[in-house]
Formats: sequence, C-alpha cells, structure tokens
Amino acid sequence: DTGVSQDPRHKITKRGQNVTFRCDPISEHNRLYWYRQTLGQGPEFLTYFQNEAQLEKSRLLSDRFSAERPKGSFSTLEIQRTEQGDSAMYLCASSTQGVGELFFGEGSRLTVL
Amino acid sequence: QKEVEQDPGPLSVPEGAIVSLNCTYSNSAFQYFMWYRQYSRKGPELLMYTYSSGNKEDGRFTAQVDKSSKYISLFIRDSQPSDSATYLCAMSGNAGGTSYGKLTFGQGTILTVHP
Repeated sequence: DTGVSQDPRHKITKRGQNVTFRCDPISEHNRLYWYRQTLGQGPEFLTYFQNEAQLEKSRLLSDRFSAERPKGSFSTLEIQRTEQGDSAMYLCASSTQGVGELFFGEGSRLTVL
Repeated sequence: QKEVEQDPGPLSVPEGAIVSLNCTYSNSAFQYFMWYRQYSRKGPELLMYTYSSGNKEDGRFTAQVDKSSKYISLFIRDSQPSDSATYLCAMSGNAGGTSYGKLTFGQGTILTVHP
C-alpha cells in the first residue's frame, strides 16, 4: 500500500495523559500536513512541514501540542496533558511541492475520557 | 461567521437524480477550490480541483466556481448509492507557497442516494 498511513487508528485515553500519533506519508511527497476534524465539522488545519522544517502552525495548536518530522519522512503529533476537548479525528495528509492534491490518511481517532 | 459556509444537509435523493452541492466563502484570496468526498471513518479523498473561476467536468461530476459571487458548486449526475458520503468543499490561497496546502474546509454535506 503506497498511501498515507496513520497509527494508531483509534486511541482511548484518560484526561491528563499524553498521546502520540504517527504518520507515514507517500514516499516521494515532501510536504506533510496535520488536520483535526471534530464530529460534524470539516477538517481544520493544524500544521505543515516541508521536508523536516515545520513552516506553519495554526493558532489551534496550543503549547500542549507538538509535531515533528525529524528526517523529513514520517511525522509524529504529540498531545500532552490531554483534555476532553482534544477528542477528535487527527488527519495527516501529504503532497508534492507546488500545486498538487493532498492525499489524506484514514486518520487517528482520539477519545479522551 | 465562518470563512466557508456549507449546508450540512442531510440530503437524500433517489438513485439517478442530479445532486447539487454548494459552498459560499468570504475570503477573496482563495484561488484554488476543491471538493473532497469522505466515507464514514475514512479520510477525505479529492474529487475535483479547480483554479479560479470556471467549470470543470470529470465523468459524472461537474465543479463550478464563480469568484465574483464567492460561490462554488458540485453537480453529480446519475447519482448512485455508492455516492452516499459526506462531501466537503475546500479552498486555499496562492499556489507554490505554503498556503496552498493550508485548506479551509466547509462543514460538509451528508448525502444519501437511495435505490
């Protein structure tokens, strides 16, 4: 399978715990994006990498959130001290540089109890 | 007021009907307009992509953009039960810069096509 891969698909955690999601983009794509989608809403942009550089972050990305793409390949999104409001689907997408479509993964669903 | 407004529906149509979905937006900097389809518990997949104003056709799907009215539409002809999904409009700014992949999505319209 050469699509965008995300892991885990579903994570249930207690409030206050830390969680980490991983995204493996399509191999030749140098741009990687994280989006968050809550029930009944469209995805919202969180952050964007070009290769290993994090070039843009949304105001939605509070200081409890951190994203990395250490070698310009896979990326991780960590949420510290989770809150119930963090419950959502976290979507990863990748694309080539310039004009190109975003390819989304199937998402990592977070449930904070 | 949101930058992109989309009627969430739900919309229910019989098989074979023509479906019309639309979005309005307020940010005149948007130049790239997309429609994504999202099945339950799956990630969005790109259906149509249009630059600036005009029409684009791909099989049973037609996308229209009217920048003067800040209004975009997606038409589905001869709708099929397999078209049942949530349809999301999305928009972005200048190409080549970081803003291209920074999409602003509508809320999504839930469509059901019944046999």
